[in-house]
Amino acid sequence: EVVLTQSPGTLSLSPGERATLSCRASQSLSGTNLAWYQQKPGQAPRLLIYGASTRATGIPDRFSGSGSGTDFTLTISRLEPEDFAVYYCQRYGSPYTFGQGTKVEIK
Amino acid sequence: QVQLVQSGAEVKKPGAAVKVSCKASGYSFSSYGISWVRQAPGQGLEWMGWISGNNGNGNYAQKFQGRVTMTTDTSTTTAYMELRSLISDDTAVYYCARGGGYQDSWGQGTLVTVSS
Repeated sequence: EVVLTQSPGTLSLSPGERATLSCRASQSLSGTNLAWYQQKPGQAPRLLIYGASTRATGIPDRFSGSGSGTDFTLTISRLEPEDFAVYYCQRYGSPYTFGQGTKVEIK
Repeated sequence: QVQLVQSGAEVKKPGAAVKVSCKASGYSFSSYGISWVRQAPGQGLEWMGWISGNNGNGNYAQKFQGRVTMTTDTSTTTAYMELRSLISDDTAVYYCARGGGYQDSWGQGTLVTVSS
């Protein structure tokens, strides 16, 4: 079973700062079947990145994804007020699994 | 535009079953799978399984095998998820989402509460 571990659990930053979120897999992911989602309170998740680095339709270019193997990163270059949310990574394709989430909160 | 509209909240007793529907529109239903993901109160996301919008193939997370059935009705472009033998730990918001790999559009969620 692949386990995804996200760090940190909570990231306290100010608008305009850079956010770097980590997702580490317990074993190497074949290919780049890694996605990132954003979720705000009371809302459904929203796809940000798939294939580890491809932005989904309509996602601003301040969001970028990178990585391969066991280490993946979501970077938000300059935080906007609407970016404060919880972020999840996901390995898709059998088996499927989500990380436990990173909360990005306003400092 | 792509829309997934789910059925309303449910309250069930332990041991009962629940069936959640997900009406899809704005795209070719048979060209995409539908995944189901749940989220317990205050917790993270948990993938339950997916079903093809074309031929009914798919796969379920091992945790739910034997207790969940996912189906589709292509004539009404609706997907269904039935979960049986409910326990209190099944209390969660259940989401349907487009895509058998990553999920690019999501329903609004259906709260299922299991309580005696």
